[in-house]
Amino acid sequence: EVQLVQSGAEVKKPGESLKISCKGSGYSFTSYWIGWVRQMPGKGLEWMGIIYPGDSDTRYSPSFQGQVTISADKSISTAYLQWSSLKASDTAMYYCARVLRYSVGYYMDVWGKGTTVTVSS
Amino acid sequence: SYELTQPLSVSVALGQTARITCGGNNIGSKNVHWYQQKPGQAPVLVIYRDSNRPSGIPERFSGSNSGNTATLTISRAQAGDEADYYCQVWDSSTDVVFGGGTKLTVL
Repeated sequence: EVQLVQSGAEVKKPGESLKISCKGSGYSFTSYWIGWVRQMPGKGLEWMGIIYPGDSDTRYSPSFQGQVTISADKSISTAYLQWSSLKASDTAMYYCARVLRYSVGYYMDVWGKGTTVTVSS
Repeated sequence: SYELTQPLSVSVALGQTARITCGGNNIGSKNVHWYQQKPGQAPVLVIYRDSNRPSGIPERFSGSNSGNTATLTISRAQAGDEADYYCQVWDSSTDVVFGGGTKLTVL
């Protein structure tokens, strides 16, 4: 069974750093892109960026470029999303998803359960 | 940047057909994907590339895409279909774009 298992909920203070994870299993982790999606409380889905664990090729949505870092460690089939200095506005649910890429775009066929990040002083 | 427009809410009587639209400039030239998100859960892919159902998704779910509107159709709506539904496309200038989401209520 294809699964993406995300790390647990985090509560942080503004200015702190954070790295959350997404571990893939049941498929060849290095052969599929992994995407990250933000969902702020009561709001819709927002695309953050994507990484190909096979060679760490990474693309960011312009809205998130410079705000977060996406990385992967293919030796342990895990992708990461990290912040160097959190803000209260980073409070949200963060989902990772397996991305199926084809000639004219891509979509997400398997999703992790999400990681809740709360940033509060 | 490319934008997708969805109605905030759609209501359907139990057992009837619900249609959720997703509007975008010449969206018919793009592939549209649809996700279902129930409260407190992660999104689930229900339609990909306009009209294809992943395994495990009931045949009651179907999709179409033409002109400036893509449509997710849910036949014989059930109480378990109550959820938020999001459309998504890929655009060469905007990358992945999600619609704002539609809350489906089954009456």
